[in-house]
Amino acid sequence: QKEVEQNSGPLSVPEGAIASLNCTYSDRVSQSFFWYRQYSGKSPELIMSIYSNGDKEDGRFTAQLNKASQYVSLLIRDSQPSDSATYLCAVNAGYSTLTFGKGTMLLVSP
Amino acid sequence: GAVVSQHPSRVICKSGTSVKIECRSLDFQATTMFWYRQFPKKSLMLMATSNEGSKATYEQGVEKDKFLINHASLTLSTLTVTSAHPEDSSFYICSARVEAGFNTEAFFGQGTRLTVV
Repeated sequence: QKEVEQNSGPLSVPEGAIASLNCTYSDRVSQSFFWYRQYSGKSPELIMSIYSNGDKEDGRFTAQLNKASQYVSLLIRDSQPSDSATYLCAVNAGYSTLTFGKGTMLLVSP
Repeated sequence: GAVVSQHPSRVICKSGTSVKIECRSLDFQATTMFWYRQFPKKSLMLMATSNEGSKATYEQGVEKDKFLINHASLTLSTLTVTSAHPEDSSFYICSARVEAGFNTEAFFGQGTRLTVV
C-alpha cells in the first residue's frame, strides 16, 4: 500500500515568515514528486515538481527532496495571506496514478 | 502549464436523474485521465482511471455502473453519474497527465460541484 503522509495542520505562520511543509512517502521506488496548492472550493493547482535529490527553487517556493529518508518538503519564503490554502503532496512511482497525501492546511496571518 | 477544462462547474439535479461531466485537455493529448471526488474538508479520493479507447479502471468501492466513464478521444473523458442520489453530492475533479517518461505532471480541471436534491 503506497502511502503519502502529511500533517493535516493547520500550520499557522505570520506574514513574511517561512512556512515549512513536510511530506513522507512509503514507496521507495517513487520517482516523481509534486506539490499542489488547493484553495477552498477550488481544484488543485500544480506549483512545484521535483525529481532528484536536493533543492529546487522557483520564486518564493523551494522544494526539497531526500530519497534516502523518503521525504519531500516545500518551503514558502516571505509567506503572504494569499498563500493560505491546503498544500497537497503527490508522489508517482512510475506509470501509475499519483498518490496524494491528505494535505496540510496553511494559514498565513497578516 | 497544460490546460484541462472541465464542464460544468456547477450542477444541481434531481434525485434519480443522470449528470454528465466533461473533461477536456485543451493543448495536449491525454491517453490517461483521472477522476476524483472530494467531500468538504476531506482529501482527494481517486475514483477511476480513464484510458483512451479502453475500459476505465475503477478504484475499490466505486460502482462502475453508477459512475460511467467514457474516454472516446485523446482529449475528452466524460463521467456520468447515473441515478444520482443526495449522497452523490460532492466536488468532482478530473485530471490529465502530460506524459514524458516518469516525469509526468498532472493538471486538474476546475472541478464540478454536484448537488443532488
